[in-house]
Amino acid sequence: EAQVTQNPRYLITVTGKKLTVTCSQNMNHEYMSWYRQDPGLGLRQIYYSMNVEVTDKGDVPEGYKVSRKEKRNFPLILESPSPNQTSLYFCASSPYLGTGGYEQYFGPGTRLTVT
Amino acid sequence: AQSVTQLGSHVSVSEGALVLLRCNYSSSVPPYLFWYVQYPNQGLQLLLKYTSAATLVKGINGFEAEFKKSETSFHLTKPSAHMSDAAEYFCAVSFTGNQFYFGTGTSLTVIP
Repeated sequence: EAQVTQNPRYLITVTGKKLTVTCSQNMNHEYMSWYRQDPGLGLRQIYYSMNVEVTDKGDVPEGYKVSRKEKRNFPLILESPSPNQTSLYFCASSPYLGTGGYEQYFGPGTRLTVT
Repeated sequence: AQSVTQLGSHVSVSEGALVLLRCNYSSSVPPYLFWYVQYPNQGLQLLLKYTSAATLVKGINGFEAEFKKSETSFHLTKPSAHMSDAAEYFCAVSFTGNQFYFGTGTSLTVIP
């Protein structure tokens, strides 16, 4: 089954404790992206990747890191989480063949709470 | 600067009534435009998209949207609401194909 998986689905952590949220897709998509969803703000793009070793900042990259060492994986790293990073996080992937307009396939989400 | 605006954070319609969810974007150049739906405790899934082909776009579950360049709008409609349409709807735009901007969402309630 074609899908985007995220782990963990739920995470409660404390301020300053490094964490990684994994994202994996099995559709051989070039493009992957991370979003956070907050009430009243919709989804905001954190980072995206056009292909292996190619990443760029989205709208709200502060406090986050990413890496794209393999085409299927795009982990989101919070090196020193703070309470304002409490949010619902989504990973998404899509084909990218030199132009845009492709459907993004979203993972099920990771609910992160930082105390 | 906000690139996409969804008017109305909550919309309620009666079952069988017309659904109209509004989306306006800020750009002089027509972007790629999308409508996504999010059911409770799930990720987003695509309803439909505009990519400079036909201005009237048909999507899944009976939804459609019309791109109006003069109004910079991409409103989502469905002629007859069903209980299963209750969900959160997001309009999204992309100008470059790699950065995406989502609206703040519209929660649709369908009244039996």
